[in-house]
Amino acid sequence: EAQVTQNPRYLITVTGKKLTVTCSQNMNHEYMSWYRQDPGLGLRQIYYSMNVEVTDKGDVPEGYKVSRKEKRNFPLILESPSPNQTSLYFCASSLSSGDGANVLTFGAGSRLTVL
Amino acid sequence: SQQGEEDPQALSIQEGENATMNCSYKTSINNLQWYRQNSGRGLVHLILIRSNEREKHSGRLRVTLDTSKKSSSLLITASRAADTASYFCATRTWSNYQLIWGAGTKLIIKP
Repeated sequence: EAQVTQNPRYLITVTGKKLTVTCSQNMNHEYMSWYRQDPGLGLRQIYYSMNVEVTDKGDVPEGYKVSRKEKRNFPLILESPSPNQTSLYFCASSLSSGDGANVLTFGAGSRLTVL
Repeated sequence: SQQGEEDPQALSIQEGENATMNCSYKTSINNLQWYRQNSGRGLVHLILIRSNEREKHSGRLRVTLDTSKKSSSLLITASRAADTASYFCATRTWSNYQLIWGAGTKLIIKP
């Protein structure tokens, strides 16, 4: 089944404790992206990647890191989480060309709470 | 940055009625897409309409695009309880590959 898999789905952590949210897709998509969703603020893009070894900042990159060493994986790293990073996080992927370009497939979401 | 604005923010209708949601945007677009999100879950792509198209259908969904007014509408006909969700529009401009998202319309279908 074509899908984007995120882990963990739920996480409660404490301020300053480094964490990684993994994202993997099995559709051979070139493009991958991370979003956070907060009440009243909609979806905001954190980072995106057009292909392997190519990453770029979205609208709210502060406090986050990403890497794209393999096509299928795009982990989101919070080096020193803070309470304002408490949010619902989504990973998404798409083709970067052709008819499917720009049509995003989303993961199920990762709900992160930072105490 | 947000380009799309959905209207209304929330909509509650009876099962069987039609639901219409609107999306307005600010700059010229390459395409506009609609997504559905069930509570707390990942978004699901519904339909994409390109800037040179005026109307598209998919099952009970009908999307229109008016580039002169920079607006789009999503019509869901014969609504069902399972249509209860938030609906988002997203636009892609000609100069930027990234999608720009609206804040969404929360649709509640009452049995």
